[in-house]
Amino acid sequence: SQQGEEDPQALSIQEGENATMNCSYKTSINNLQWYRQNSGRGLVHLILIRSNEREKHSGRLRVTLDTSKKSSSLLITASRAADTASYFCATVGAAGNKLTFGGGTRVLVKP
Amino acid sequence: GAVVSQHPSWVICKSGTSVKIECRSLDFQATTMFWYRQFPKQSLMLMATSNEGSKATYEQGVEKDKFLINHASLTLSTLTVTSAHPEDSSFYICSAPPATGGWETQYFGPGTRLLVL
Repeated sequence: SQQGEEDPQALSIQEGENATMNCSYKTSINNLQWYRQNSGRGLVHLILIRSNEREKHSGRLRVTLDTSKKSSSLLITASRAADTASYFCATVGAAGNKLTFGGGTRVLVKP
Repeated sequence: GAVVSQHPSWVICKSGTSVKIECRSLDFQATTMFWYRQFPKQSLMLMATSNEGSKATYEQGVEKDKFLINHASLTLSTLTVTSAHPEDSSFYICSAPPATGGWETQYFGPGTRLLVL
């Protein structure tokens, strides 16, 4: 079953703009991860944020986590055409033994 | 970083035949591997957890007799789709956390696209 709902389902922006997507989940988590998937390809791990963390940065990526609202956001700053992909959040539950993916956000960055 | 490979990357088969997909961890050992299925424009759904030397654990609604999993070594898990039908056409992806360390890090294979005619 899917743990997370992602919002929006699709996003179209111009190169240079920021892209923000949100993920909500239902049960307690150990950590939350964001992945990127290019069309027809496997997943690339972007960033992991633990349940006791509130914000994390990695390059042009910024992730926030609000455990009281059971939600996370991924911000991609200064987007590039190469950022065009689907982005998924995935949670690891308290038992810490498997990933449960959200529905994904399809991002199109227009040059 | 660690690499997980899948073979084949593409497979087309006739309805009723069986298809085997391999998932290999190339430079690390994995006592556990995960198999996911992804339909077009949808998310990844966990099918089963493959455990080296023991039976796989299947998610609710996944037929274990249809999706046979064998984790024969610390670097190889196979998923066999038996008597495949068109509705089994999908993108199958495996992942593996390294045997050493926690489950936070999982490495994903590139996926196998199955088309059943």
